[in-house]
Amino acid sequence: EDKVVQSPLSLVVHEGDTVTLNCSYEVTNFRSLLWYKQEKKAPTFLFMLTSSGIEKKSGRLSSILDKKELFSILNITATQTGDSAVYLCALRPLRGSNYKLTFGKGTLLTVNP
Amino acid sequence: ETGVTQTPRHLVMGMTNKKSLKCEQHLGHNAMYWYKQSAKKPLELMFVYSLEERVENNSVPSRFSPECPNSSHLFLHLHTLQPEDSALYLCASSQDGAVGGSPYEQYFGPGTRLTVT
Repeated sequence: EDKVVQSPLSLVVHEGDTVTLNCSYEVTNFRSLLWYKQEKKAPTFLFMLTSSGIEKKSGRLSSILDKKELFSILNITATQTGDSAVYLCALRPLRGSNYKLTFGKGTLLTVNP
Repeated sequence: ETGVTQTPRHLVMGMTNKKSLKCEQHLGHNAMYWYKQSAKKPLELMFVYSLEERVENNSVPSRFSPECPNSSHLFLHLHTLQPEDSALYLCASSQDGAVGGSPYEQYFGPGTRLTVT
């Protein structure tokens, strides 16, 4: 079973702080790694990463993949209370199902005013 | 609000009841998914339908029965559930890679919080 491990499991910061969320995995070959933000209930898509070393950026959020060291990070700069959510990392394996995403348990981020 | 809706949002049922969860997507996608999210566990894929055909069934007990009558609607029929089935059930949709688009950008609904008593 492909394994996705996210750290930390939870994090509390103050508005304006910068945070780095980690996602590590055990499979060496995979198609893509995805990041989702889950507020209340529905996860919303953030980024899909397929190539090592290429940063994806959207506003204050950015993410990068390191295929050699088998991890990805999600950075959030100048955090706001609206960034409070569970951030999920998911992996699409190279072999097997064309549809399956293997999710980590998520990182619960709380941004206090 | 996303383009994927789910009803009901909350459901409490006894172990002998039969109920159904409904999902509808308004995004023109042709693949739909059911996920289970239990406390402190990762999202688990249950079923996938692509072009109204079931393409994934991840060893889900037969007390969960999916139905996909068309590409916009997905149901999960529930009967004789167990208390350990209590969880958040999420529906998602995506384009199917075989007909263009990435199936990995899945768009989720708000979920149904199910409690089995």
